[in-house]
Amino acid sequence: KAGVTQTPRYLIKTRGQQVTLSCSPISGHRSVSWYQQTPGQGLQFLFEYFSETQRNKGNFPGRFSGRQFSNSRSEMNVSTLELGDSALYLCASSQTGRVVGELFFGEGSRLTVL
Amino acid sequence: QKEVEQNSGPLSVPEGAIASLNCTYSDRGSQSFFWYRQYSGKSPELIMSIYSNGDKEDGRFTAQLNKASQYVSLLIRDSQPSDSATYLCAVTGTASKLTFGTGTRLQVTL
Repeated sequence: KAGVTQTPRYLIKTRGQQVTLSCSPISGHRSVSWYQQTPGQGLQFLFEYFSETQRNKGNFPGRFSGRQFSNSRSEMNVSTLELGDSALYLCASSQTGRVVGELFFGEGSRLTVL
Repeated sequence: QKEVEQNSGPLSVPEGAIASLNCTYSDRGSQSFFWYRQYSGKSPELIMSIYSNGDKEDGRFTAQLNKASQYVSLLIRDSQPSDSATYLCAVTGTASKLTFGTGTRLQVTL
């Protein structure tokens, strides 16, 4: 069974640009969550999608957005990039979404903003 | 006060010893508790979940939960060098959001 797949794995952008990250969950998993991981702040929750609906949202500015498609694949977008957006962005999927916490993480997309 | 607090470590234990990792949380209505292991340069991996007060054992790992004290811990028996990693405590609060602590780095020495 294939794991959670995130693309791209690494990317470099400049301030003011925008970026789109993609996540394909484990087959059969309908819940997808996104996290930002930085050395200082640890794992910070961005948002969670279940059956194409945003079920929960963290405390990030509106520049951070996401969506989920009918096949459960998800994308997140960050507009007007700032230096502080440099981080590892992790996507995680879970089977039914009933238990919020049993997550399977992808390898992440490492974003560097110059 | 942080929602989920962990000592950042590093916690250094000799091979074969018991490693004890601790976590406190602030949301008294929290219902679900998890331990994730993250090796350097890798993504987090779920190793234990616990939902009710008491102990839950899985191989060399034991999770302990005390909701009255808002405290959850992870014991690793017979620690091995391969256990060296950062251990993340995660809690599902009343808003159904999973909140992670910043992690405790464990070093198992030979």
